[in-house]
Amino acid sequence: GALVYQYPRRTICKSGTSMRMECQAVGFQATSVAWYRQSPQKTFELIALSTVNSAIKYEQNFTQEKFPISHPNLSFSSMTVLNAYLEDRGLYLCGARLGGRDYAEQFFGPGTRLTVL
Amino acid sequence: GDSVTQKEGLVTLTEGLPVMLNCTYQTIYSNAFLFWYVHYLNESPRLLLKSSTDNKRTEHQGFHATLHKSSSSFHLQKSSAQLSDSALYYCALSDRGSSGNKLIFGIGTLLSVKP
Repeated sequence: GALVYQYPRRTICKSGTSMRMECQAVGFQATSVAWYRQSPQKTFELIALSTVNSAIKYEQNFTQEKFPISHPNLSFSSMTVLNAYLEDRGLYLCGARLGGRDYAEQFFGPGTRLTVL
Repeated sequence: GDSVTQKEGLVTLTEGLPVMLNCTYQTIYSNAFLFWYVHYLNESPRLLLKSSTDNKRTEHQGFHATLHKSSSSFHLQKSSAQLSDSALYYCALSDRGSSGNKLIFGIGTLLSVKP
């Protein structure tokens, strides 16, 4: 079946430092990968969407300079949180979609929980 | 912009009673795609139901929902709650705007089923 792995599951970093998280689709080739963040007491908010053969598109309030994403192939994506501060803490979810249609199911990983000290 | 509203943050039920979790949405697109995801602690959010067809009931694992475009609603229902249904439930809307295939999530409803 289709699975999405994320690594690490939990991480702690000091304020002002950076950390990298990874997302791997297993059992299928994702045509798009979306990164979401769930801040405390909030819902999942899209950071950026990476689609095969298209540039990575960042949502308002999120930039490539702060959240650079690498999507070298259809199965793997990584995102770095640069200069992390308290407001960057939360659960970062990766969602991989098979197929380009809206109706195509998005498979999620378990998330990377980021704590910033 | 597009949005999803889940009015209840927490729903507490006794086992065996019916479940109804509310979801309403706003979108400028006539062809809305709605989803319900269930999220158990320390696991991946998992798709429970999806629909884009107006007034058609969709069912999975004992849960059902009907998309009503006239009222912009996609409420999640189950006839009899089980202890194992305790989890976070997110309603989500697929945005067909310029951002591409992104999901817009509601705040989530925590369902707590007691014996």
